Amino acid sequence: GENVEQHPSTLSVQEGDSAVIKCTYSDSASNYFPWYKQELGKRPQLIIDIRSNVGEKKDQRIAVTLNKTAKHFSLHITETQPEDSAVYFCAASRGGTYKYIFGTGTRLKVLA
Amino acid sequence: GAGVSQSPSNKVTEKGKDVELRCDPISGHTALYWYRQSLGQGLEFLIYFQGNSAPDKSGLPSDRFSAERTGGSVSTLTIQRTQQEDSAVYLCASSYRQANTEAFFGQGTRLTVV
Repeated sequence: GENVEQHPSTLSVQEGDSAVIKCTYSDSASNYFPWYKQELGKRPQLIIDIRSNVGEKKDQRIAVTLNKTAKHFSLHITETQPEDSAVYFCAASRGGTYKYIFGTGTRLKVLA
Repeated sequence: GAGVSQSPSNKVTEKGKDVELRCDPISGHTALYWYRQSLGQGLEFLIYFQGNSAPDKSGLPSDRFSAERTGGSVSTLTIQRTQQEDSAVYLCASSYRQANTEAFFGQGTRLTVV
């Protein structure tokens, strides 16, 4: 069935370093790939998304890359700051009437 | 409305009791999702409503769980004969029309079964 795998489950980086989180998906018809950030005790919120017609998208310190052939996509955070510490979830969807499939989450800790 | 609203925010119930959790999606959003998040865990899919289509119930963990969405808006998740392993945060999300647009999450209902 549909599945999204996410790695690593936990990630610790020094402030100012980069962080990379990777996801792979099984449904080759997936065409929308959002990333959500969930701070402690709060609701998940969208931080960036990418559609299958592009290979990369950037928004300030955050970027997402997509490799449709390999069916994987990655979140890149540069110049990490303590406020980047949170759980990050990737997801994949076909769009239309299909549901989102979420990855299992990555707990990112940015050490000051 | 402002965003996705869930009630109650916290619920403590005794084992064996039934509970109802409510979700008010953003007005105009036709897609509505329920997820369960156990402490420190990921987002476990429960059920998905899209417009007038039959709901995708493939994530419901047992027949004690059911959900309804009346009039294409408000949704209620019902858990019958609650068990301690049902303790978790139940998150509702809605999105506009299709599942390739942003899903907005509610603040969740923290359910504790004692």
